[in-house]
Amino acid sequence: AQSVTQLGSHVSVSEGALVLLRCNYSSSVPPYLFWYVQYPNQGLQLLLKYTSAATLVKGINGFEAEFKKSETSFHLTKPSAHMSDAAEYFCAVSPNAGGTSYGKLTFGQGTILTVHP
Amino acid sequence: DTGVSQDPRHKITKRGQNVTFRCDPISEHNRLYWYRQTLGQGPEFLTYFQNEAQLEKSRLLSDRFSAERPKGSFSTLEIQRTEQGDSAMYLCASSSDRYNEQFFGPGTRLTVL
Repeated sequence: AQSVTQLGSHVSVSEGALVLLRCNYSSSVPPYLFWYVQYPNQGLQLLLKYTSAATLVKGINGFEAEFKKSETSFHLTKPSAHMSDAAEYFCAVSPNAGGTSYGKLTFGQGTILTVHP
Repeated sequence: DTGVSQDPRHKITKRGQNVTFRCDPISEHNRLYWYRQTLGQGPEFLTYFQNEAQLEKSRLLSDRFSAERPKGSFSTLEIQRTEQGDSAMYLCASSSDRYNEQFFGPGTRLTVL
């Protein structure tokens, strides 16, 4: 079984400040990990993914995340927040092996990011 | 191809009515997923197709829910005898076998009165 915990349902930062959104996962098999962003009344857009290659993953819009197996974490960061980053962010996990559950995503509850001018 | 499309975008229905949603995946993607998202929550997996075969169903998918993907292209999700608890955003996603990266559609927002 797999699960994701996102610490902090709301995060507020000032424009230009560091963004840090926390994600911890639980998985009985080696995982793939993802961060998605969702703007109001829209579907989810993939920001970045970890698929067993480099542990530091760079994504779109200046975001990056680091896979830390010892801490079972996959925190999302961005050095300097922009007003357009305000949205809801979801961390997700899926099994990385084959089988019928391959690709099935298990999401965290989401973190709403607010950016103040 | 501009991405995953879903129809309708919004559906308002009365309790007890049947509703059907359609998802058109990215054309070369053979995997198709349905998720449900309620307010303030992350999406929850409902079911998954590889080509036309339905390979996994969540226990969230009661016998009032049925999904099909008859020719391995578009998919439909039907809810029979809708209940107020079915009110949610229904999201569809697709991916290829080679890349475990799901592309999501804009969703269908269902409101059951």
